[in-house]
Amino acid sequence: DAGVIQSPRHEVTEMGQEVTLRCKPISGHDYLFWYRQTMMRGLELLIYFNNNVPIDDSGMPEDRFSAKMPNASFSTLKIQPSEPRDSAVYFCASSLGTGNQPQHFGDGTRLSIL
Amino acid sequence: QKEVEQDPGPLSVPEGAIVSLNCTYSNSAFQYFMWYRQYSRKGPELLMYTYSSGNKEDGRFTAQVDKSSKYISLFIRDSQPSDSATYLCAMVIYGNNRLAFGKGNQVVVIP
Repeated sequence: DAGVIQSPRHEVTEMGQEVTLRCKPISGHDYLFWYRQTMMRGLELLIYFNNNVPIDDSGMPEDRFSAKMPNASFSTLKIQPSEPRDSAVYFCASSLGTGNQPQHFGDGTRLSIL
Repeated sequence: QKEVEQDPGPLSVPEGAIVSLNCTYSNSAFQYFMWYRQYSRKGPELLMYTYSSGNKEDGRFTAQVDKSSKYISLFIRDSQPSDSATYLCAMVIYGNNRLAFGKGNQVVVIP
């Protein structure tokens, strides 16, 4: 079975540019999560969706960040405009059911903002 | 105070040693406890999961939960070089979907 697929794997761009990260969850999973991982703060939940509907976006750092899930097999996380402090590894995860069900992570997008 | 505390200091052990990792937490509402393993440049993968106080074994891995002390541990017996990874504890309130993660412990097993 294909796992969670993220693209691109690496992204290097200049400050002020728009960045779009993409995620394809595991087929049949009804929850999708976006995380950010840094050395300083560890793994932080940004937003999660249930059946394509955003449920909790309280972790989204500021209005520059937005996420969409137009259908059950695709989600995007967009940063506009990007800033150097957004540099991190961004993970997408999906799960079947509520919190005690395991979340399956993609291999992440390593984002560097110059 | 952060919800989940995990000392992120790297840990180097010789092959065959026992690795001991732990996390403390402040929210007594946490009911499910997990350990994720993350290899370099990969996403975290679920290693162990438990919801009751006490020990749970899976091969060389033992997860221990002490809810009265708000303390969880992971033990790796007969450690192998392939166990070299970062180990993150995570926990969640029943019915909630917000996993609270520790910062992770980097473990290096030296052949």
